[in-house]
Amino acid sequence: NAGVTQTPKFQVLKTGQSMTLQCAQDMNHEYMSWYRQDPGMGLRLIHYSVGAGITDQGEVPNGYNVSRSTTEDFPLRLLSAAPSQTSVYFCASSSRQGALNGYTFGSGTRLTVV
Amino acid sequence: GQQLNQSPQSMFIQEGEDVSMNCTSSSIFNTWLWYKQDPGEGPVLLIALYKAGELTSNGRLTAQFGITRKDSFLNISASIPSDVGIYFCAGLNYGGSQGNLIFGKGTKLSVKP
Repeated sequence: NAGVTQTPKFQVLKTGQSMTLQCAQDMNHEYMSWYRQDPGMGLRLIHYSVGAGITDQGEVPNGYNVSRSTTEDFPLRLLSAAPSQTSVYFCASSSRQGALNGYTFGSGTRLTVV
Repeated sequence: GQQLNQSPQSMFIQEGEDVSMNCTSSSIFNTWLWYKQDPGEGPVLLIALYKAGELTSNGRLTAQFGITRKDSFLNISASIPSDVGIYFCAGLNYGGSQGNLIFGKGTKLSVKP
């Protein structure tokens, strides 16, 4: 049981480049979220989804797009990377029933934009 | 938006010491969660609290859901080296979207030199 899998683990981008951070879960969880973690800031919610075909914005959505075409996958797209998007990105998932127990997190993608 | 104030920001521990950290909010939550993050990994759930006044233990960890539903604390007894890491509190309001998981900024636990 792989849980929540994020790829890549590390990425360096040049300003203005685009890329997609991948997130997949094999637990048939309805809920999936993307967070970014910056030093001294904790984790901040970027986008989330309560099921396939449904997405919504979190606290810091600007500069990021998401889609949820399947239950398993929830990719995060950076259309034009900026240095301010240098961060560690975490994907998390939960079943609807298990949401009260918190979420299962992936191991993160460390992104540097130069 | 909702914010959680977590303190202390950092602390140094000596093996065997007890550790306390807490989290306060200006608004109420239905659920409080405590996570631990090891270097290079994602947060892992330690304890979940569902009722005001609830006191829950998980081994050497004890957490309480404040009566006002605006605060929570986490205690670690008889600390050991593997307790080092960053601890996050998180508040959750269910009944609406699942996006309402709000994190504190973390308490970094390090070993005294």
